[in-house]
Amino acid sequence: GAVVSQHPSRVICKSGTSVKIECRSLDFQATTMFWYRQFPKQSLMLMATSNEGSKATYEQGVEKDKFLINHASLTLSTLTVTSAHPEDSSFYICSAFISGGPSDTQYFGPGTRLTVL
Amino acid sequence: AQSVAQPEDQVNVAEGNPLTVKCTYSVSGNPYLFWYVQYPNRGLQFLLKYITGDNLVKGSYGFEAEFNKSQTSFHLKKPSALVSDSALYFCAVRDSYTGRRALTFGSGTRLQVQP
Repeated sequence: GAVVSQHPSRVICKSGTSVKIECRSLDFQATTMFWYRQFPKQSLMLMATSNEGSKATYEQGVEKDKFLINHASLTLSTLTVTSAHPEDSSFYICSAFISGGPSDTQYFGPGTRLTVL
Repeated sequence: AQSVAQPEDQVNVAEGNPLTVKCTYSVSGNPYLFWYVQYPNRGLQFLLKYITGDNLVKGSYGFEAEFNKSQTSFHLKKPSALVSDSALYFCAVRDSYTGRRALTFGSGTRLQVQP
């Protein structure tokens, strides 16, 4: 089946630093990836849609200058949390569709837990 | 706008008993419906989906779900629960009318299966 990986799985950083999270589709190409955020005991909230070769589309209320998304290839999207603050601490999950395949199923990465001290 | 409601924060069942996790949805067009399961500190695992066709959909690990258009529901079921089914379950919807590919998730239901 389709496998999506994320790196790192867990990161702890100091307030004010930037953190990059990678999302890779391991055995398929993905022109579209999504970034979600999940707070403890809450549902997933869509942050942005990452499109290969073009700018990401951000959901209302998500700061594009704070959450930088780059989708440079068909297998890699990155989310950079810039100048992280404790309120950015959360579980970040990416997902991807298979390019050219049935466009109805998203495959999710294992998530990255970010803790900002 | 599309939305999903999971009315139960937690469902408790005894091992071997049938389980139901409820989900209702709201979309403008035809719904694409999904169930995912999440284990602690892990991403989401796909269980099953309804796109079109038979209202009863069978998925992974013995789970199934029934699409009911008149009640706008897509409840997840399993005839005999296992302790290992204990996890967080999310229902999600995508509206075929809008063409928007991102999913809207329900709030999640924690399933606790007691031995």
